[in-house]
Amino acid sequence: AQKITQTQPGMFVQEKEAVTLDCTYDTSDQSYGLFWYKQPSSGEMIFLIYQGSYDEQNATEGRYSLNFQKARKSANLVISASQLGDSAMYFCAMRDHAGGTSYGKLTFGQGTILTVHP
Amino acid sequence: GAVVSQHPSWVICKSGTSVKIECRSLDFQATTMFWYRQFPKQSLMLMATSNEGSKATYEQGVEKDKFLINHASLTLSTLTVTSAHPEDSSFYICSARGPRDSQSGYTFGSGTRLTVV
Repeated sequence: AQKITQTQPGMFVQEKEAVTLDCTYDTSDQSYGLFWYKQPSSGEMIFLIYQGSYDEQNATEGRYSLNFQKARKSANLVISASQLGDSAMYFCAMRDHAGGTSYGKLTFGQGTILTVHP
Repeated sequence: GAVVSQHPSWVICKSGTSVKIECRSLDFQATTMFWYRQFPKQSLMLMATSNEGSKATYEQGVEKDKFLINHASLTLSTLTVTSAHPEDSSFYICSARGPRDSQSGYTFGSGTRLTVV
């Protein structure tokens, strides 16, 4: 069974500083995908970044980068130049291999509440 | 980009009544829809997976008779909470698979906050 672990219930960062949100995963699949989502208080799930298990380079999307360490099974999110609007809950998620009856569902970590201070 | 429209965004209902939540893919065909439940400040927990034209697959511990899922077309999936009780109050959110080039293959609805009084 797949498992995603986020060990930081809450994180604080000063505006304009960088912050790293931790995520570790466990899977027996060779093919999988890792996602990060932002969930503001409104509840919507905002897709931030994706990393495929076979991607050799770390994914980047604007101020977001994913520090993918396959051997350590970690996929940490780095947010550079934090903004007040970054305050939200952040989820790491993993897609299992779509095959048989799995349908490629997403399994989510516990989430990390990020607070950006001015 | 791909959009999944989820309605209603919030609903208050009396205990014992049923509530239907709709998720509609607006510009793509959603062959698979995932339904999640989320309590405040907690993770999203998968309730069930529905595929167009077939019965939904429920996760362990989810009552299929209480949470009825219908996926009758490629653009519409519904979740009906039957005989709702206060403990069913939660945030429900759907996620459709596809298209691959949008958000890496998963499009979420905006969620429904259900309050049972």
